[in-house]
Amino acid sequence: AQSVTQPDIHITVSEGASLELRCNYSYGATPYLFWYVQSPGQGLQLLLKYFSGDTLVQGIKGFEAEFKRSQSSFNLRKPSVHWSDAAEYFCAVGPNNDMRFGAGTRLTVKP
Amino acid sequence: DTAVSQTPKYLVTQMGNDKSIKCEQNLGHDTMYWYKQDSKKFLKIMFSYNNKELIINETVPNRFSPKSPDKAHLNLHINSLELGDSAVYFCASSEAGRNEQFFGPGTRLTVL
Repeated sequence: AQSVTQPDIHITVSEGASLELRCNYSYGATPYLFWYVQSPGQGLQLLLKYFSGDTLVQGIKGFEAEFKRSQSSFNLRKPSVHWSDAAEYFCAVGPNNDMRFGAGTRLTVKP
Repeated sequence: DTAVSQTPKYLVTQMGNDKSIKCEQNLGHDTMYWYKQDSKKFLKIMFSYNNKELIINETVPNRFSPKSPDKAHLNLHINSLELGDSAVYFCASSEAGRNEQFFGPGTRLTVL
């Protein structure tokens, strides 16, 4: 069965600094990969997704992620973090009827 | 213009009670889901419904039952609530053939 590992439980970065959140997956075929963001007290919002094609995908809010099959990774990046990016970030692997989520990475942004 | 909505947002109840959480989506999607997020933020899929047919049922207790009166609604009924049922429950929906889910705002259930 597919699974997702997010090695970092909590990350703190300074506002304006770059960000990389790690995600490793286990999946038997070409994976459907997602990154979601959950702000405090809110639902999950899709940041970006990868199904096939270009391995560097662009998402909303200035986020991007790179699929690396050789490393079974789908890391999320942002060149310059804003205070409003503080939230919980979840990596997930599909398909829809058996979506598996990672444990999440909590991002704190220092002024 | 809420895409996926849930009611109530908060639910506090006693052990042993029966409760329901409602979910509605106005996206015209074919499939709806229920997820449970525990205190450690771990998200686990519980059910999905497609055209009133249960597709999957993760190993959840049979005290939990999804009920879909129509394609736009998937309600979650919970009987004989237990302390361990305390969690945030999320509803989601997706369009047939598209691997992308849209989530509701969540319902925080607290069982005392």
